[in-house]
Amino acid sequence: NAGVTQTPKFRVLKTGQSMTLLCAQDMNHEYMYWYRQDPGMGLRLIHYSVGEGTTAKGEVPDGYNVSRLKKQNFLLGLESAAPSQTSVYFCASSYSYQTEETQYFGPGTRLLVL
Amino acid sequence: AQSVTQPDIHITVSEGASLELRCNYSYGATPYLFWYVQSPGQGLQLLLKYFSGDTLVQGIKGFEAEFKRSQSSFNLRKPSVHWSDAAEYFCAGFNDYKLSFGAGTTVTVRA
Repeated sequence: NAGVTQTPKFRVLKTGQSMTLLCAQDMNHEYMYWYRQDPGMGLRLIHYSVGEGTTAKGEVPDGYNVSRLKKQNFLLGLESAAPSQTSVYFCASSYSYQTEETQYFGPGTRLLVL
Repeated sequence: AQSVTQPDIHITVSEGASLELRCNYSYGATPYLFWYVQSPGQGLQLLLKYFSGDTLVQGIKGFEAEFKRSQSSFNLRKPSVHWSDAAEYFCAGFNDYKLSFGAGTTVTVRA
């Protein structure tokens, strides 16, 4: 049971390049989330998904797209990377919409956009 | 907006001393509150959570937190800090399917 895994761990992009971050969970969780972490700002929610085939915008969705084609995977895409997207990205998952459920976090992906 | 705030950006504490990290919330109803810890270069690990009931919550690694509705606070405490407790600590509140995080408090432990 690997929990929540993220690929890649680290990436450097040039402005305007695109990339996809992969999040996978093996806990059969319904809900999945993408956050970005920037110094002094905590974690901010980018997008989330309440089930396979569904996605919704979070607090800071601009410049990102997501897809949840399979229950266990949640993809975060950057179509045209900008230096402002330099950050550490965390994926999380939880069992259901019931508030008692805890979110489990992946190890993070460090992205540097030059 | 419903949220949590952590007033202290950085705290330095001596090994063996007690630690208290502050968290204030602004939710209309009884909030669901969490404390997470992040060690350098790592993901977030849940320390403890409060949903209802007993206002003193015990967590892992010897941490506890007390929910005080009158003060809108959910402060994290540890009686005796170890060097391995040096990390960043985040308070979070849950509402409308989403977690909202505070900005975090960095804890430095000196020998």
